[in-house]
Amino acid sequence: QQQVKQSPQSLIVQKGGISIINCAYENTAFDYFPWYQQFPGKGPALLIAIRPDVSEKKEGRFTISFNKSAKQFSLHIMDSQPGDSATYFCAATEYDKVIFGPGTSLSVIP
Amino acid sequence: DTEVIQTPKHLVMGMTNKKSLKCEQHMGHRAMYWYKQKAKKPPELMFVYSYEKLSINESVPSRFSPECPNSSLLNLHLHALQPEDSALYLCASSQDWALNTEAFFGQGTRLTVV
Repeated sequence: QQQVKQSPQSLIVQKGGISIINCAYENTAFDYFPWYQQFPGKGPALLIAIRPDVSEKKEGRFTISFNKSAKQFSLHIMDSQPGDSATYFCAATEYDKVIFGPGTSLSVIP
Repeated sequence: DTEVIQTPKHLVMGMTNKKSLKCEQHMGHRAMYWYKQKAKKPPELMFVYSYEKLSINESVPSRFSPECPNSSLLNLHLHALQPEDSALYLCASSQDWALNTEAFFGQGTRLTVV
């Protein structure tokens, strides 16, 4: 059973466009929601994270929107660049577990 | 220094070999983790150490044996692995799991079992 659902599986965006990745969860015990970026052959790197008492968090070109009642959250990448091409994982934590979504492969084309 | 260091970067081992993966962090983090990641899949949690004690074992086969010698080091001992155990093994650490702070990941060890 997938505890954290993520869509789309893959995404192609033109340079300068907005990339949007959506996630959903069921477990209301989750209390921290990080997003990770992973390049091929590298470990995941934390991008941005949010707690469920906050509806939006912005850091540079990256914004998380959080809807606690719908148990959904999303990542928006503004002004997407070719260097943003990577796999993005949403995640949720409960106590000492970080549970990852299945991932979205983002390709930003010139 | 926000680095989690894993060694070796690559490892090829036979099914009868014994090897160890190593991980260290000097951020004063008290929670450390082992994850396994197959190609095009998300990382899957294997073990969690909190304050040097094993707190979670996600039903991992006994051919994987974790060890936490001190608060900065985490090892994963491997014995009698199978080819399907070939994967990227990731170590991570966080300040304290109870605080739900960010987990920092190492670059991983690419393991191939032949």
